[in-house]
Amino acid sequence: AQTVTQSQPEMSVQEAETVTLSCTYDTSESNYYLFWYKQPPSRQMILVIRQEAYKQQNATENRFSVNFQKAAKSFSLKISDSQLGDTAMYFCAFMKSISNFGNEKLTFGTGTRLTIIP
Amino acid sequence: NAGVTQTPKFQVLKTGQSMTLQCAQDMNHNSMYWYRQDPGMGLRLIYYSASEGTTDKGEVPNGYNVSRLNKREFSLRLESAAPSQTSVYFCASTRRGTYEQYFGPGTRLTVT
Repeated sequence: AQTVTQSQPEMSVQEAETVTLSCTYDTSESNYYLFWYKQPPSRQMILVIRQEAYKQQNATENRFSVNFQKAAKSFSLKISDSQLGDTAMYFCAFMKSISNFGNEKLTFGTGTRLTIIP
Repeated sequence: NAGVTQTPKFQVLKTGQSMTLQCAQDMNHNSMYWYRQDPGMGLRLIYYSASEGTTDKGEVPNGYNVSRLNKREFSLRLESAAPSQTSVYFCASTRRGTYEQYFGPGTRLTVT
């Protein structure tokens, strides 16, 4: 079974600064997908960024980037130029693989509550 | 497109009562999922359905039943609610062979 660990329950940072959220995972799979989801106070789950394990290049989406270290099983999220709208819970998640069987289950970490201070 | 919709948004039950949480998606997705979110626990998979007519247990299925009524709808039933089932419930769907799961807005359930 896969496990996902987020060791920072809460973080806060000044607006416009850079913040890094940590995530480690444990799996015996060689091919898998990793995700960061954002959950603002509205409760809606929003996909922020994804990483395919077979890709060595770190994923980037505008101000969001990841540091994927496959050997260390580490997957951190960096938010640059943080904005007030980034205030939310952030969940790291693991998916074993994509198949044609429809069993693409997500395993989530416990989340990091991020507060951006004006 | 409405995406994934869930009803109700909020519900309060007494211990022992039953209820069904409804979920529907209009994206023609094959797979649908039910998760629960508890404080400090992240989201955990209750049941999933890879296609119409099939369902499988996830990580925390005890106390729940599901029905995949058709391709659009996937319901979650609590036959005899317990305080331990107080949680926020999310439904999600995905197109087979793709990675992105689309989530509904969630149902906050309180069992007293």
